[in-house]
Amino acid sequence: GNSVTQMEGPVTLSEEAFLTINCTYTATGYPSLFWYVQYPGEGLQLLLKATKADDKGSNKGFEATYRKETTSFHLEKGSVQVSDSAVYFCALTPRPGRRALTFGSGTRLQVQP
Amino acid sequence: NAGVTQTPKFQVLKTGQSMTLQCAQDMNHNSMYWYRQDPGMGLRLIYYSASEGTTDKGEVPNGYNVSRLNKREFSLRLESAAPSQTSVYFCASKDTQAQPQHFGDGTRLSIL
Repeated sequence: GNSVTQMEGPVTLSEEAFLTINCTYTATGYPSLFWYVQYPGEGLQLLLKATKADDKGSNKGFEATYRKETTSFHLEKGSVQVSDSAVYFCALTPRPGRRALTFGSGTRLQVQP
Repeated sequence: NAGVTQTPKFQVLKTGQSMTLQCAQDMNHNSMYWYRQDPGMGLRLIYYSASEGTTDKGEVPNGYNVSRLNKREFSLRLESAAPSQTSVYFCASKDTQAQPQHFGDGTRLSIL
């Protein structure tokens, strides 16, 4: 079956530090890959996505590259801010079909001023 | 800009009580989903509806029922609530295959 593995948190960084949150996946075929972010007390918001190998998704300074050879989709940001403190979820959906998402367990990021 | 709307936002139930969680989307999406979120476990799929008139079980369907009332609305029912169903419940919707899911703000449910 499909699965997503994320690094355990919490990840605690100082403002302006470099961020990497690792994500690896297991899936048949060619899944679409997503990063969602959940701010305290809110629902999940799509942060970025990639639908095929070597695609790079980017948004709000965050980036992730779909690496089929290593089955990875690591999230990176060059300089984090306090406002980036949230829980980040890596997820995939297989293709074709309107299938549901398979989520990783989430990684909590805490950015200190 | 409503997107996906869930009601209620919070609810406390006693063991054995029943309850229906409501979800409505205004984006004309075909597919809708119910997830539960538990600490350290990410989100797990309870039920989904690929289109109006169809529903299918997800990863953790036991103790729940769903109704796809029309294209907009997808409700989740707990017939006899148990403490193990204490969780945060999220509804989501999407349209075509490649598009991302849109999530509601969640319902925080506590069962005593």
